[in-house]
Amino acid sequence: GAVVSQHPSWVICKSGTSVKIECRSLDFQATTMFWYRQFPKQSLMLMATSNEGSKATYEQGVEKDKFLINHASLTLSTLTVTSAHPEDSSFYICSVGSVYEQYFGPGTRLTVT
Amino acid sequence: KQEVTQIPAALSVPEGENLVLNCSFTDSAIYNLQWFRQDPGKGLTSLLLIQSSQREQTSGRLNASLDKSSGRSTLYIAASQPGDSATYLCAVINSGNTPLVFGKGTRLSVIA
Repeated sequence: GAVVSQHPSWVICKSGTSVKIECRSLDFQATTMFWYRQFPKQSLMLMATSNEGSKATYEQGVEKDKFLINHASLTLSTLTVTSAHPEDSSFYICSVGSVYEQYFGPGTRLTVT
Repeated sequence: KQEVTQIPAALSVPEGENLVLNCSFTDSAIYNLQWFRQDPGKGLTSLLLIQSSQREQTSGRLNASLDKSSGRSTLYIAASQPGDSATYLCAVINSGNTPLVFGKGTRLSVIA
């Protein structure tokens, strides 16, 4: 299957700062990438769908001006959490999809202090 | 809107037991269904994928079945081991380029 990496694997930032998370598809041309968020003891919730070369599609309740997504190439999508607050602390996971299967990155744990 | 439910939410069993995890979904027009394993603080490991035309898939001690018409899937784990302790997530996909819809998972503890 496709190999997906995320960087960083964990990050701690101060409230009010911005954090960028990278999602790379190492061996799969991903026209679409998905960003999920997982709060403690909860399941994964889709935040947005990242489309290469065009604007991302956000799920209801997700602020597009706060969670900036850029999908500039077929192998890289970035999620920037702007003006982070403690309630943004979560586990962020990206995936790339084929017709047959979804492949997930290892996740990024964000802690906002 | 597709909704996925997993029962039970948590399960604790002694080592060696066979066990069944349940997953149900509201929209039976799925393309495929996947079972994942997630260890605490880690990403997802894909365990089994069942396409809509299939009834079951097996990998080692794991067997997943799919009854698409009734909107149900089960994950059977034989001869459970402490290393099987993790959260098991069920997810369905309705078309090829749409995201997975996840259940909330079953947290499994296998006691030695």
